[in-house]
Amino acid sequence: GAGVSQTPSNKVTEKGKYVELRCDPISGHTALYWYRQSLGQGPEFLIYFQGTGAADDSGLPNDRFFAVRPEGSVSTLKIQRTERGDSAMYLCASSEGRDGELFFGEGSRLTVL
Amino acid sequence: DQQVKQNSPSLSVQEGRISILNCDYTNSMFDYFLWYKKYPAEGPTFLISISSIKDKNEDGRFTVFLNKSAKHLSLHIVPSQPGDSAVYFCAASAEYNFNKFYFGSGTKLNVKP
Repeated sequence: GAGVSQTPSNKVTEKGKYVELRCDPISGHTALYWYRQSLGQGPEFLIYFQGTGAADDSGLPNDRFFAVRPEGSVSTLKIQRTERGDSAMYLCASSEGRDGELFFGEGSRLTVL
Repeated sequence: DQQVKQNSPSLSVQEGRISILNCDYTNSMFDYFLWYKKYPAEGPTFLISISSIKDKNEDGRFTVFLNKSAKHLSLHIVPSQPGDSAVYFCAASAEYNFNKFYFGSGTKLNVKP
């Protein structure tokens, strides 16, 4: 497709379980971002990839969160031992560069029961 | 510590009138600002941007004004249309960390026919 694709669109899991969220960016975009949006808040930065490497992971809240982008395209956000506070919309975005705007996917809504 | 603030959670405007959405920031190092629009069940979509070397940027019905001394920016939509009804987020980044965007909490605009 032409836009950023995220799967699953909805994920319900139980506290303590492991979750993977996938992002397929726009073809040719080297920069990829993960953001998290809680209800009533704006998107909050988690991690930024330039190519295959995580250039800035300062927004990851703790070591239960990890993200990879092994071939410089698709990225997976991994959350271990999920907690109820992890419930949020997880947004992925890609861009061509600094002055290119971020193109967001529709998000993956995670609910931890 | 929220570095980008949108103090009005909602705004209601009559169709054809001007909508003014405001955004304040605290970090004087921010030099690039964007506005995003978000419809329900969709990811945010880029609307307009401005860099700190300008104080105004216009694109059709949308104009963004930047007041660096006041650390304030605003988005003007004129004339407002019912299809403009959405949540609007402002975002900012700094040259030294240009891939980390800070978002405000959003303003929900309702344009009444």
